[in-house]
This record gives sequence, structure tokens and C-alpha cells, in this order.
Amino acid sequence: GESVGLHLPTLSVQEGDNSIINCAYSNSASDYFIWYKQESGKGPQFIIDIRSNMDKRQGQRVTVLLNKTVKHLSLQIAATQPGDSAVYFCAENIGGNEKLTFGTGTRLTIIP
Amino acid sequence: KAGVTQTPRYLIKTRGQQVTLSCSPISGHRSVSWYQQTPGQGLQFLFEYFSETQRNKGNFPGRFSGRQFSNSRSEMNVSTLELGDSALYLCASNSAYYEQYFGPGTRLTVT
Repeated sequence: GESVGLHLPTLSVQEGDNSIINCAYSNSASDYFIWYKQESGKGPQFIIDIRSNMDKRQGQRVTVLLNKTVKHLSLQIAATQPGDSAVYFCAENIGGNEKLTFGTGTRLTIIP
Repeated sequence: KAGVTQTPRYLIKTRGQQVTLSCSPISGHRSVSWYQQTPGQGLQFLFEYFSETQRNKGNFPGRFSGRQFSNSRSEMNVSTLELGDSALYLCASNSAYYEQYFGPGTRLTVT
């Protein structure tokens, strides 16, 4: 069945360093992926997305890499800031049916 | 452009009662999805509505239901509340390109 997993539940990074958050998915039919950031007491915030016909997509300080061969997704955050501290979720979509399957989340802590 | 609005933000109910939560999507978005978030199960898809019709449904019991109005506002209802229904209920406003934008959620506590 569908599942989206995360390699690490917590990650601590020094302020200014780069962060890499990983995600594995199991359904090869997944064709759309989204990364969300969720701060305490708030709903998930859309960060960046990528479709299965792409390997890489860049945003402001963030890059998402998709490796379909090993069903792996990663989120890279450059020059991390204290405001980047949050839980990060990857989510996958199959066939554009609006149902997202979420991973369990990685808590990113930025050390000043 | 206003974001996704969910009301109420916090709710405390007793077992056996029912509850109705409301969501107003981003202007122009016709699709709304609902998710339940708990520490144990994470974010789980409940259902999705488009143009007043339920298009997709997750694996939740029939006590969980929803509807959408002609102005795209959506409500979800949970009947016969159980302790395990305590969760953050999130509404997402869906663009035509499958991007989903979440509201702040309604924190439901069942006692």
C-alpha cells in the first residue's frame, strides 16, 4: 500500500549551515510531491513541490531533489535560520486525485 | 488574497456529542480537502469536495462526514464523538494544479 516514510524523526543543525531532510516513498505511481513546514500551533505551510517528470526544483533557499529510481525525496534548506525550526513533512499524490499521503515528519531544530 | 479560514479554532466536546467544523477556502479555489492530525497517526486524509460533490474519501468511519456549499465553503461533521477523535482538524484549499494550502486548523478535544 501507500506509505511515505522519513529517515530521521529529529535533526539539529547549526544556524547558517545547510539542512537536508530525507523522505522515502513506496508507491512508484506517485507523480506529485510536496514539502510542508509546520510550526507549533499552525497548519502546514506549503514550501515547494515537484512533479515526477522533474529531478530537481529550486525555490528561495530551498531545493527539492527527486530520485525515482530509489523512490527518495529530499529537501535542502540553505543557510538555515532560527525561523526554519519546525516540523517538515513530505507528502505524495497519486494520479492528481487531491488525496495527499503524508510522511511522519522530521523536527528540525536550529542551534544558534 | 485571503488565506484559508477555519472556525472555530478550539473546541471542547463530550463523548457522544457531535461537532461541526467550518472551512472557507481561498477565493477562486473550488476544491477543499480535510485532514485529521494526531501525534500517533500523523496527518490522515478524510475527504475532498469539489463543486459540492465528494470526490475522494479516506479510511474513516461513517461518523465523519462533510459537505460543500455553492460558495465552496465546506463543513465537516463528526457524530457520536469518541475520545480518539481528539485531534487537529485541518482544511486544505486546493488549486487547479493540486497545490494544497492549509488553514490553521481546529483543535478538537473530546472529554
